[in-house]
Amino acid sequence: DQQVKQNSPSLSVQEGRISILNCDYTNSMFDYFLWYKKYPAEGPTFLISISSIKDKNEDGRFTVFLNKSAKHLSLHIVPSQPGDSAVYFCAASGAGGGSQGNLIFGKGTKLSVKP
Amino acid sequence: DAGVIQSPRHEVTEMGQEVTLRCKPISGHNSLFWYRQTMMRGLELLIYFNNNVPIDDSGMPEDRFSAKMPNASFSTLKIQPSEPRDSAVYFCASSRSAGGWDTQYFGPGTRLTVL
Repeated sequence: DQQVKQNSPSLSVQEGRISILNCDYTNSMFDYFLWYKKYPAEGPTFLISISSIKDKNEDGRFTVFLNKSAKHLSLHIVPSQPGDSAVYFCAASGAGGGSQGNLIFGKGTKLSVKP
Repeated sequence: DAGVIQSPRHEVTEMGQEVTLRCKPISGHNSLFWYRQTMMRGLELLIYFNNNVPIDDSGMPEDRFSAKMPNASFSTLKIQPSEPRDSAVYFCASSRSAGGWDTQYFGPGTRLTVL
């Protein structure tokens, strides 16, 4: 039973266009959401996060939107660059430490940005 | 500043053999996490430590898996005996605290193949 779902295994976008990666979750207790990026043969690296008290967080070309009522978040990359080609993981956690602080990851979306 | 260090990067072994994966977290980080990535299940948490103490091992598949953290700068994940279904990429990550909001820094992973 997946608590964090990324329904698109892959996405292909033209350089300069917007990339939109989607993520859905089922656990209403999640209150912190993160996106990680992973290149081949490397570990995931933190990209951007958002707390459940916000609906948007922006960092340069990357913006994460959170729709709590729909239990949905999305990552927008504008403009997309070839170096953005990677696997993007959505992750969620509950409040505090202990088991609630564990990160639950989606299975990832492979983004390909074509020159 | 060195990131999370994992060794070996690749391990090929035969079914029934003991496998030991090693991790050195980032200095000053109090929490350490072991993850496993497979095509079927994605990235899943196996166990995590806080201040060298195992906090949540509910993700450990079975008794063949064990993890230790004898000091703040070293952890091992052991599989004995190994089975072909254990083939996966194993990641170690560390963070300043165990809270889900605290960025986890991942190592490059160990790709394990059990023949």
